[in-house]
Amino acid sequence: AQTVTQSQPEMSVQEAETVTLSCTYDTSESNYYLFWYKQPPSRQMILVIRQEAYKQQNATENRFSVNFQKAAKSFSLKISDSQLGDTAMYFCAFKHTNAGKSTFGDGTTLTVKP
Amino acid sequence: DGGITQSPKYLFRKEGQNVTLSCEQNLNHDAMYWYRQDPGQGLRLIYYSQIVNDFQKGDIAEGYSVSREKKESFPLTVTSAQKNPTAFYLCASTTGERLSNQPQHFGDGTRLSIL
Repeated sequence: AQTVTQSQPEMSVQEAETVTLSCTYDTSESNYYLFWYKQPPSRQMILVIRQEAYKQQNATENRFSVNFQKAAKSFSLKISDSQLGDTAMYFCAFKHTNAGKSTFGDGTTLTVKP
Repeated sequence: DGGITQSPKYLFRKEGQNVTLSCEQNLNHDAMYWYRQDPGQGLRLIYYSQIVNDFQKGDIAEGYSVSREKKESFPLTVTSAQKNPTAFYLCASTTGERLSNQPQHFGDGTRLSIL
């Protein structure tokens, strides 16, 4: 079974600075997808960024980028120029390409301070 | 706009009572999911369904039941057998294609409490 570990339950960052959230996973599969989701306080969970395991290039979405290290089974999320609206709980998720479900980490609560 | 609608937003259950949480989607997604989220914790999968009239148990199915009679709807019943039902419940859906990299879309959640 796959497991996803987010080792930082809580983090904080000053507005406009950069922060990195860590995620490691355990799998024996070689083909899979990785996701970061954002759950703002009292708001809907949404996708932040995704990465296909077969792609070597790290995914980037505006201020959000990942550092995907397949051999190390690591998938960290970097948020540049942090904004107050980035305050949320962030979940890392793993999905095997032939699976009908995803496995989520326990989440990291990020607070952006003014 | 397409999306997932969960109702009610807040729900209270009396001891020994069954309650049903609604989840409806108009995204034409095949797969639907129910998660439980406890304060400060991650998502734990209760049940999921990849096609109408079929569903599978997740990691914490005991005390819960589901049905999938229509593609758009995936209601969750919290039975009296679930002794600690107080939690935030999230419904999600996705295309259901096993080879798809499409993410899950989530509803706004239902917060269930015991009276």
